[in-house]
Amino acid sequence: DAGVIQSPRHEVTEMGQEVTLRCKPISGHDYLFWYRQTMMRGLELLIYFNNNVPIDDSGMPEDRFSAKMPNASFSTLKIQPSEPRDSAVYFCASSPLTLRSGNTIYFGEGSWLTVV
Amino acid sequence: AQTVTQSQPEMSVQEAETVTLSCTYDTSESDYYLFWYKQPPSRQMILVIRQEAYKQQNATENRFSVNFQKAAKSFSLKISDSQLGDAAMYFCAYRSLLSNFGNEKLTFGTGTRLTIIP
Repeated sequence: DAGVIQSPRHEVTEMGQEVTLRCKPISGHDYLFWYRQTMMRGLELLIYFNNNVPIDDSGMPEDRFSAKMPNASFSTLKIQPSEPRDSAVYFCASSPLTLRSGNTIYFGEGSWLTVV
Repeated sequence: AQTVTQSQPEMSVQEAETVTLSCTYDTSESDYYLFWYKQPPSRQMILVIRQEAYKQQNATENRFSVNFQKAAKSFSLKISDSQLGDAAMYFCAYRSLLSNFGNEKLTFGTGTRLTIIP
């Protein structure tokens, strides 16, 4: 299995620009999660989907952030306009239904975002 | 809501020795999963070990084992024969067993940075 695939791995952008992070979950997984990691706040859940439907987006910081999952094999996290405080590592993760496969959530390698 | 606490921001251990990382959690649920994830400098989140709360037997994976005390809500990670490659940030995490909309996320502790001394 290829695992959770994220792109880009690294992005440096200027303040005010739009940023789009992409994720391909593990095939057959029902859940997709977006987490953000910073030194100050640790690992934060931004949003997660079940069968392409957003379930909990309470962690999305503000209206500048949006996430979509148009189909079972693709999700995007968009920041528009970006700000320096958005600099972080953004992780995408996926898992099967909680009652199967040990309830494990598998993470991608992360997208390192730097906003200057 | 569930919370996970890791009270040791940093730990160090001599190579080949044994180290134990602490984790406590708070929940009102009786069925759940607990995890330890390792995050090396590459930042990738790697699953180390997993424990089902309904199993009394402590999970083991090669040099990694847990001490799961359900009544005390404690879930420590023991690393035996520490190796240089074990140096990383270690996160304890909680996940509900039951699929209950809004409850399927992983809740993380703040992490413990483990240094291996050659």
